[in-house]
Amino acid sequence: DQQVKQNSPSLSVQEGRISILNCDYTNSMFDYFLWYKKYPAEGPTFLISISSIKDKNEDGRFTVFLNKSAKHLSLHIVPSQPGDSAVYFCAATPLSGGGADGLTFGKGTHLIIQP
Amino acid sequence: DTAVSQTPKYLVTQMGNDKSIKCEQNLGHDTMYWYKQDSKKFLKIMFSYNNKELIINETVPNRFSPKSPDKAHLNLHINSLELGDSAVYFCASSQGLPGISYNEQFFGPGTRLTVL
Repeated sequence: DQQVKQNSPSLSVQEGRISILNCDYTNSMFDYFLWYKKYPAEGPTFLISISSIKDKNEDGRFTVFLNKSAKHLSLHIVPSQPGDSAVYFCAATPLSGGGADGLTFGKGTHLIIQP
Repeated sequence: DTAVSQTPKYLVTQMGNDKSIKCEQNLGHDTMYWYKQDSKKFLKIMFSYNNKELIINETVPNRFSPKSPDKAHLNLHINSLELGDSAVYFCASSQGLPGISYNEQFFGPGTRLTVL
């Protein structure tokens, strides 16, 4: 039973355009959400996070939007650059656990930036 | 300087053997984790551990056991290895304190385990 879903296994975007990666969750206990980026043969690298008290968090080219009522979040990358080509994982956790529950990950979306 | 390191990076072994994967973090974090990424690319939590509490994902066989000699290390011991244990194992750490705060987890580079 997937509690965090990333329904697009891959996404191809032209360099300079906006990349939008989507994520849905089903567990109402989740109130902290993170995006990780992963290159082949490396561990996931933290990108950006958002808690459920916010609906938007921005960090440079990366913005995460949270729609709690729809249990949906998205990651926007503007403008997309060749180095953004990687697998992006959405993850969630209950904040009250302080991390003890670990992160529940989606299956990832492979973002390919076309020159 | 590597924040979270794992050794070995690759491990090939026979069914039935016992093996260990080491993990060290130099971030001063209080909580460490082990995750398994299976052939379908799902990353799943196996254990989380701080100096007070070990939380085990109930789906993890008891052939897997974490051992923490000190706050900076959380090693993974696997007994009687099976074919289905083949996967990439990631160690991670965070400064979160259960019930108080949460910060992002930092991951190691992974250990690819192949059981023949």
